[in-house]
Amino acid sequence: DAEITQSPRHKITETGRQVTLACHQTWNHNNMFWYRQDLGHGLRLIHYSYGVQDTNKGEVSDGYSVSRSNTEDLPLTLESAASSQTSVYFCASSANQDYEQYFGPGTRLTVT
Amino acid sequence: LAKTTQPISMDSYEGQEVNITCSHNNIATNDYITWYQQFPSQGPRFIIQGYKTKVTNEVASLFIPADRKSSTLSLPRVSLSDTAVYYCLVAPISSGSARQLTFGSGTQLTVLP
Repeated sequence: DAEITQSPRHKITETGRQVTLACHQTWNHNNMFWYRQDLGHGLRLIHYSYGVQDTNKGEVSDGYSVSRSNTEDLPLTLESAASSQTSVYFCASSANQDYEQYFGPGTRLTVT
Repeated sequence: LAKTTQPISMDSYEGQEVNITCSHNNIATNDYITWYQQFPSQGPRFIIQGYKTKVTNEVASLFIPADRKSSTLSLPRVSLSDTAVYYCLVAPISSGSARQLTFGSGTQLTVLP
């Protein structure tokens, strides 16, 4: 069965370190998205991609970067982790529209 | 951007029908209405989407009045496992509008025994 996976599921890192969160989907979807979820803020869009070599900034992109070298993967990199980036991160993918997205299980990141 | 407003929380009892209403006063002509469900420690799950009138699937029904300024998600005969956060989103049907997707804080539905 097609799926979307995220790794690691839990990560603790120190302030200033570079961290990369992996997202892999086997739906063969063109579109991929990264969100963060914090209490009181719902889900906020960080970056998204509509295909290989395409990346776009979302609502809260500062301090994050993504690259899309193939259809299946969209890794999210925190260049220099900050305590404000402690959050739960969700990756999602969709076929040819934005509204029906399939979400991964999430990565809980703690920056100490 | 079409902003959505929905209740912060709702309680219901097992076996009852639950209706969650979402307000989207400035919805655009090419916007669709979409609902997601999120259980604790999981990613959101797409439930249903519609443009106008009524849409029904195996999980829920979506009622959209003619003016499309609101929509109602209806969950028939809820069970304890329907306890979750429900998000209403409004966005254009076509790809290319991801920045316009706003999940907001959703409605926490708690089903009581």
